[in-house]
Amino acid sequence: GQQLNQSPQSMFIQEGEDVSMNCTSSSIFNTWLWYKQDPGEGPVLLIALYKAGELTSNGRLTAQFGITRKDSFLNISASIPSDVGIYFCAGHPGNTGNQFYFGTGTSLTVIP
Amino acid sequence: EAQVTQNPRYLITVTGKKLTVTCSQNMNHEYMSWYRQDPGLGLRQIYYSMNVEVTDKGDVPEGYKVSRKEKRNFPLILESPSPNQTSLYFCASGNGFYNSPLHFGNGTRLTVT
Repeated sequence: GQQLNQSPQSMFIQEGEDVSMNCTSSSIFNTWLWYKQDPGEGPVLLIALYKAGELTSNGRLTAQFGITRKDSFLNISASIPSDVGIYFCAGHPGNTGNQFYFGTGTSLTVIP
Repeated sequence: EAQVTQNPRYLITVTGKKLTVTCSQNMNHEYMSWYRQDPGLGLRQIYYSMNVEVTDKGDVPEGYKVSRKEKRNFPLILESPSPNQTSLYFCASGNGFYNSPLHFGNGTRLTVT
């Protein structure tokens, strides 16, 4: 199955800094999702994107569905310690069922 | 509360000893799926089910079995576990509409010695 290229693999940032990460695919997707996984827990949905060019916010998080439909971006503004975790992107090609493809994750560490 | 419940959370077993990891969802979701998560490899799909009595292989099905006798339950069965199946396993469910987000359980960390 297809794996999405997610970068960076890991980030170490100071509290208060902004964070940017992205996810790219070799094929077109109709839906992009961003999940966060806290240590020892399952992934939790942060933002869902359904339309090319769409920009959606959830508190300090903003995600965009790339115009080419082959990429998506997640930004976190003014990071705080509880932002620590692994962030996953997931894409759906638009066929039937809930078959999503996942990125390999970006591990975020926030230094107080 | 809407949730996907996996049990057990942690399991240590020996090679060859059959085990079952249970997964249950209370959202009346049609779609359920199992993933394994390994460092650097992200989430890889093992098996999925589009509805009761309908199951299909994902990307890494070897060594695993599943069943979907009821809508809410989707157990993962390892008939003869091996050390390369040591991993973190997640169950997920979705309402079946083609691009609706998946809801994940809290994971089962399996160690096979």
